[in-house]
Parts: sequence; structure tokens; C-alpha cells
Amino acid sequence: GEDVEQSLFLSVREGDSSVINCTYTDSSSTYLYWYKQEPGAGLQLLTYIFSNMDMKQDQRLTVLLNKKDKHLSLRIADTQTGDSAIYFCAESMAPPVSSASKIIFGSGTRLSIRP
Amino acid sequence: EAQVTQNPRYLITVTGKKLTVTCSQNMNHEYMSWYRQDPGLGLRQIYYSMNVEVTDKGDVPEGYKVSRKEKRNFPLILESPSPNQTSLYFCASSLSGTGLHEQFFGPGTRLTVL
Repeated sequence: GEDVEQSLFLSVREGDSSVINCTYTDSSSTYLYWYKQEPGAGLQLLTYIFSNMDMKQDQRLTVLLNKKDKHLSLRIADTQTGDSAIYFCAESMAPPVSSASKIIFGSGTRLSIRP
Repeated sequence: EAQVTQNPRYLITVTGKKLTVTCSQNMNHEYMSWYRQDPGLGLRQIYYSMNVEVTDKGDVPEGYKVSRKEKRNFPLILESPSPNQTSLYFCASSLSGTGLHEQFFGPGTRLTVL
């Protein structure tokens, strides 16, 4: 069945790079997303990648996709205290006719920054 | 300002007392959705709506109802809440339900059912 897995916690030192990993099971995924949830707030889309891409870079964020291993990662360069949040990996499959694309979320990885 | 609003933000209630959580978006989005967030489980979809008068079940619809009488509003109804519905609820909307368009999330409603 469909499943998206992430580790629950990650702690990094301020200024280092953070790498958050995610594995998914459905090979028919069309889009893979990274969402950020700050304390007391809803989810905010950080970035996404099409399933036919290997890499996407956007300022401090780099997304790597290994389709063979069904592995997605988010690298945050020069991690700052403002990056403290929960990061959700999500995948979506192409929608069936007259229905919505199903988006499956992982459990979220809580990133904490230490000085 | 483009946004998704939810009310109330916090609610404590008792088992069996009907409640409604409202959701409204001002972006003319066709697609709206409700999720619940529980520790270690991520977000699970309760119901979604492709457009006015078009609603469908998500992964965990039991114990919930929704309606979509107008494009901007998508209330979540708990006819007889139970303690296992204690959770953090998020409403989201996007231009379409194809997955191509970004989902915008509301701030969340924390519900406790005693």
C-alpha cells in the first residue's frame, strides 16, 4: 500500500547542513513535496519535485530524488534557528478521472537547531 | 490577504455534543480538504471536495461529515464526537485537486473531546 516514512527527529548545529530523509512506496507518484510546519501554524509548501527529476535547488534548499530506491531528501544549507520546525515529506499520485489526486504525508521530522 | 481561516482555533467539548469547525478560503479555490494530525501519524485526510456540492471520503472519514454549499466554505461536522477524535485539524485549499497546485493550509483547530 501507499506509505511515506521519515525519521521523527533530527538535531543539527547552527550553520551546519541538515539532511532530512524520506522513503515512499508508491512508484506511480507524480509529485513529491516538502512542507514545513512551524509551531502553532499550518503547513507551508517549501518545495516540490516532479517524479521525472533527480534534483532541484532553490536557494538554501536542495531536493534529491532517487526513484530506484524511492528515496527523497531535503538538504538545508547553513541551517539557522528559524529553520526549527517539523518537515513533512508527501507524495501525490496522478488523479483518477473525476477524482482528486491523493496526497500521502509522512509522519514529519522535527528539526531542532543547537547553538 | 489570501488565506484559509478556521474557527475555532481551540475547542474542548464532551462526548456526544455535536460541533462544527468552519473553514473558509478567499482564493476562489475549487479544491478543499480536511486533515487530522496526530503524533507519529502525520496528516491523514478526512474528506475532500473537488467543487461545490462535490465531496468525497478521504482515508479516515468515520465520525465526520462535511458540506460544500458555497465555494469558499467547507465546514467539518462531528455529529457525536468521541475521545478518539481529539486531534489537531487542518483545512486546506488549492486551485485544483490534481496535485499540481500548492495546498494552502489553515492555522489548525485543536480539538479535545472529554
